[in-house]
Amino acid sequence: GEDVEQSLFLSVREGDSSVINCTYTDSSSTYLYWYKQEPGAGLQLLTYIFSNMDMKQDQRLTVLLNKKDKHLSLRIADTQTGDSAIYFCAEEDSSASKIIFGSGTRLSIRP
Amino acid sequence: NAGVTQTPKFQVLKTGQSMTLQCAQDMNHEYMSWYRQDPGMGLRLIHYSVGAGITDQGEVPNGYNVSRSTTEDFPLRLLSAAPSQTSVYFCASGLKDSYGYTFGSGTRLTVV
Repeated sequence: GEDVEQSLFLSVREGDSSVINCTYTDSSSTYLYWYKQEPGAGLQLLTYIFSNMDMKQDQRLTVLLNKKDKHLSLRIADTQTGDSAIYFCAEEDSSASKIIFGSGTRLSIRP
Repeated sequence: NAGVTQTPKFQVLKTGQSMTLQCAQDMNHEYMSWYRQDPGMGLRLIHYSVGAGITDQGEVPNGYNVSRSTTEDFPLRLLSAAPSQTSVYFCASGLKDSYGYTFGSGTRLTVV
């Protein structure tokens, strides 16, 4: 079945870049996602990438997709304290009827 | 536009009690899903639906029932609550042939 893996914690200094990595198993996923969860809140769609793309940039966010290695990454440039959150990698299953999430990476910012 | 509405926000149950977590969306989304979130385990899929009258099991369906009689509503039933069902539950919905799901704000359930 589908599986999504990501590391649990990342700590970066304010102003540095954050890179969160993820591996997935379903090579037929149409979309891959990054969701953000702030403390006590639900999940918000941060960005997504279509499976035929290698890279997507949206302001401070850069998503890289390596389909051969089934590896997805999220880079946050100039990380700010407001970026502190849990970031979930997710893949859409091959039937496109459900989304499978990773365990989430908790990003903490050091002053 | 209310999006995805979950009720209640908080609930405490005794072991063996039953209850229904409500989820409603007003965006005419075909797809709806229930997830539970536990520390270090991310979101695990409980049940999902691709349209009214159609439901299927996810990764962790045991102890939960669902039904989808209308497009808007997707209630999650706990038949006999157990402490292992203590968790935060999220409902989400999405459009067929589109990307991403919209999430509700969650229900924090404690079973004692």
